[in-house]
Amino acid sequence: EAGVAQSPRYKIIEKRQSVAFWCNPISGHATLYWYQQILGQGPKLLIQFQNNGVVDDSQLPKDRFSAERLKGVDSTLKIQPAKLEDSAVYLCASTSQYEQFFGPGTRLTVL
Amino acid sequence: AQSVTQLGSHVSVSEGALVLLRCNYSSSVPPYLFWYVQYPNQGLQLLLKYTTGATLVKGINGFEAEFKKSETSFHLTKPSAHMSDAAEYFCAVRGANSKLTFGKGITLSVRP
Repeated sequence: EAGVAQSPRYKIIEKRQSVAFWCNPISGHATLYWYQQILGQGPKLLIQFQNNGVVDDSQLPKDRFSAERLKGVDSTLKIQPAKLEDSAVYLCASTSQYEQFFGPGTRLTVL
Repeated sequence: AQSVTQLGSHVSVSEGALVLLRCNYSSSVPPYLFWYVQYPNQGLQLLLKYTTGATLVKGINGFEAEFKKSETSFHLTKPSAHMSDAAEYFCAVRGANSKLTFGKGITLSVRP
């Protein structure tokens, strides 16, 4: 069974630029999550999708972050414009009953 | 609301020594608890989970954890550390909508 796929693995941008991350969950998993993991901290949930609907986006900075999951399968997370404090690893996960399966993450560096 | 406390940021043990990583949680509902491991430049991998039933849970790579409701704890142990256990470990509690709340993580170093 293929795992959660994410791309790109690494991204370096300058502040005020835009960036997009892509995630393809495990086939058949209806629930998809995006997390932000700042160095030295645990992952923090940004947004949760159930199929193509948003379940929880209470911690998503909506003035600069957006996410979509148009067909209920893969998802994109966008930051526009990026700030220095957005430097982090962005993790995507999908869930089967009790367990969340995580992708390898995208490491974003904002200069 | 849920929260997880992992005291300390770094634990160092000798190879072959006992590993003990502490986790305390707060939950407004009966908790589902998880330990994840993260190797450098990789995503999180599930070590073990507690949902219901037996309070001593065995996971992969020889790790186990015990759910103690009276102490609101879910400490992770391994009898004998191996060099390959060096990684970052996260405790998490599941709340509503399957949302996971993570602790800040503990880095485990293993000395030869």
